[in-house]
Amino acid sequence: GENVEQHPSTLSVQEGDSAVIKCTYSDSASNYFPWYKQELGKRPQLIIDIRSNVGEKKDQRIAVTLNKTAKHFSLHITETQPEDSAVYFCAHQEYNQGGKLIFGQGTELSVKP
Amino acid sequence: DGGITQSPKYLFRKEGQNVTLSCEQNLNHDAMYWYRQDPGQGLRLIYYSQIVNDFQKGDIAEGYSVSREKKESFPLTVTSAQKNPTAFYLCASSARYQPQHFGDGTRLSIL
Repeated sequence: GENVEQHPSTLSVQEGDSAVIKCTYSDSASNYFPWYKQELGKRPQLIIDIRSNVGEKKDQRIAVTLNKTAKHFSLHITETQPEDSAVYFCAHQEYNQGGKLIFGQGTELSVKP
Repeated sequence: DGGITQSPKYLFRKEGQNVTLSCEQNLNHDAMYWYRQDPGQGLRLIYYSQIVNDFQKGDIAEGYSVSREKKESFPLTVTSAQKNPTAFYLCASSARYQPQHFGDGTRLSIL
């Protein structure tokens, strides 16, 4: 199947702490894994992505890790700030499926000052 | 993204009425997508198009229709057959093998 399981559904951290969100997928042909951040009432915005030939990618306070053998990938946010509060979605894509993205259910992250 | 324009921002539908949501992009992207988002839920794919004059059903196409007569335009019609249309509708586009970027969305409600 194409489903992706995302955990946790809600996450509350203190400002400055780290946050980790995990996703598990079932389609072994998936080879692209983006993460989107969505603030209330707004569009999802791409924050980081990783392709299957890479195990880890980092962009300032945000990092994504991919374990293709175990079929899971994770988003890591370090030194969290109140403006990181939003809903985060993982997704995966198989290139020969017309670019379709399959989204997780989302994680609502709350960063408390 | 500034290159993907959805209109209107808010739309109200009467029972038995068809309504059309507009999505225009000036990014020269080949692929365009329509997603539906319900409160507290992820995004579910309605229809997608990889090229002009061609489109495919997504996971929840029933009650919806689309057309792709021009590269820059991918309108979505919510038909009267869609019995629960209240949702946030998001359009996205992408170049081949590139990330999808989203418009600002249209919020559809029932009168």
